[in-house]
Amino acid sequence: EAEVAQSPRYKITEKSQAVAFWCDPISGHATLYWYRQILGQGPELLVQFQDESVVDDSQLPKDRFSAERLKGVDSTLKIQPAELGDSAMYLCASSLDKRSSGNTIYFGEGSWLTVV
Amino acid sequence: GNSVTQMEGPVTLSEEAFLTINCTYTATGYPSLFWYVQYPGEGLQLLLKATKADDKGSNKGFEATYRKETTSFHLEKGSVQVSDSAVYFCALPARNSGNTPLVFGKGTRLSVIA
Repeated sequence: EAEVAQSPRYKITEKSQAVAFWCDPISGHATLYWYRQILGQGPELLVQFQDESVVDDSQLPKDRFSAERLKGVDSTLKIQPAELGDSAMYLCASSLDKRSSGNTIYFGEGSWLTVV
Repeated sequence: GNSVTQMEGPVTLSEEAFLTINCTYTATGYPSLFWYVQYPGEGLQLLLKATKADDKGSNKGFEATYRKETTSFHLEKGSVQVSDSAVYFCALPARNSGNTPLVFGKGTRLSVIA
């Protein structure tokens, strides 16, 4: 069964350092999402791509976060500089149909970030 | 936009007990509704979904019925197992049209003891 691939699974970084996460969605999925999940809470959307274009980045803290999906396939989420409050799980997800709501979203295993 | 509220946990049950996790939603129209499950240290997996009112989604012994009258999508299982211990999330599309992400409840942690 096709899966969303993410790396690294775990990352410990010092405050003020840069960190990057990579995601490869399920082949053929046009829409890619990055969510952030703080321990004990539900996932919250950071950014949504449709192909290579950003559809929604209204909740992305753009002073320190950036995301790209240059060729409309894999994606990178970067944080620079990292802050203690960024400690969370970063989840990548993808969905097939770019035209309608109600699509099933498939998640990767997530990348755990600890900022010390 | 649309939103969802689910019962807070944690919920602790003995093996073979009956499970109900409540979820209510606020939305215009009748969006698809979802339950996702997250096992320790993992990402979210789709558990079941329902795409229209009165539909029943089911998977792995879990069921949820889309009730438009009560705007609810409660998750049920007749006999839980230790392996069902996880966090369960109710979700729906943020908006009713276009390419829209899912919004999630805060999650309900279930612990099943033998």
